[in-house]
Amino acid sequence: EAEVAQSPRYKITEKSQAVAFWCDPISGHATLYWYRQILGQGPELLVQFQDESVVDDSQLPKDRFSAERLKGVDSTLKIQPAELGDSAMYLCASSLDRGNTDTQYFGPGTRLTVL
Amino acid sequence: AQSVTQLDSQVPVFEEAPVELRCNYSSSVSVYLFWYVQYPNQGLQLLLKYLSGSTLVKGINGFEAEFNKSQTSFNLRKPSVHISDTSEYFCAVSANTDKLIFGTGTRLQVFP
Repeated sequence: EAEVAQSPRYKITEKSQAVAFWCDPISGHATLYWYRQILGQGPELLVQFQDESVVDDSQLPKDRFSAERLKGVDSTLKIQPAELGDSAMYLCASSLDRGNTDTQYFGPGTRLTVL
Repeated sequence: AQSVTQLDSQVPVFEEAPVELRCNYSSSVSVYLFWYVQYPNQGLQLLLKYLSGSTLVKGINGFEAEFNKSQTSFNLRKPSVHISDTSEYFCAVSANTDKLIFGTGTRLQVFP
């Protein structure tokens, strides 16, 4: 069964350093999502791509976060500089197409700890 | 805007007992509703979803949920739980966009 791949699974970094996370969605899935999940809370959407275009980045802290999906396949989420409050699980998900009935398939996540 | 409330942060239950996890939503438009499960240090897996039609939705692993429009609820049920059902469960809603809004989660703890 096809899965969403993410790396690294765990990342420890110091405050003010740069970090990057990678996501490879299920093959053929046009829509890709990045979520942030703070401990004890549900996931919150950071950015959504349709192919290579950003559809929604209203909750992305653009002063320090950036995301790209250059060829409409895999994606990278970057934080520069990292802050203590960025410690969280970062989840990537993909769906076959854009639509609020489409199932989103989640990767295993990257757990970020900022010291 | 839509919102989701999961009323119980933790639900303890003995193995083979029935369980119900509560979810209430708020929306001014028609919604689609989802339940996801998250195993430790893993991503989320879809259990079931309500899009339209029958208000009783059956999902994987023996779970089912009932959409109640008048009470704006979408409660998850299982008639007999297993130890392996111990996990975090999230209710989510989407409406006129494809953005999923998640609740804060309910931790189901199954005891032998």
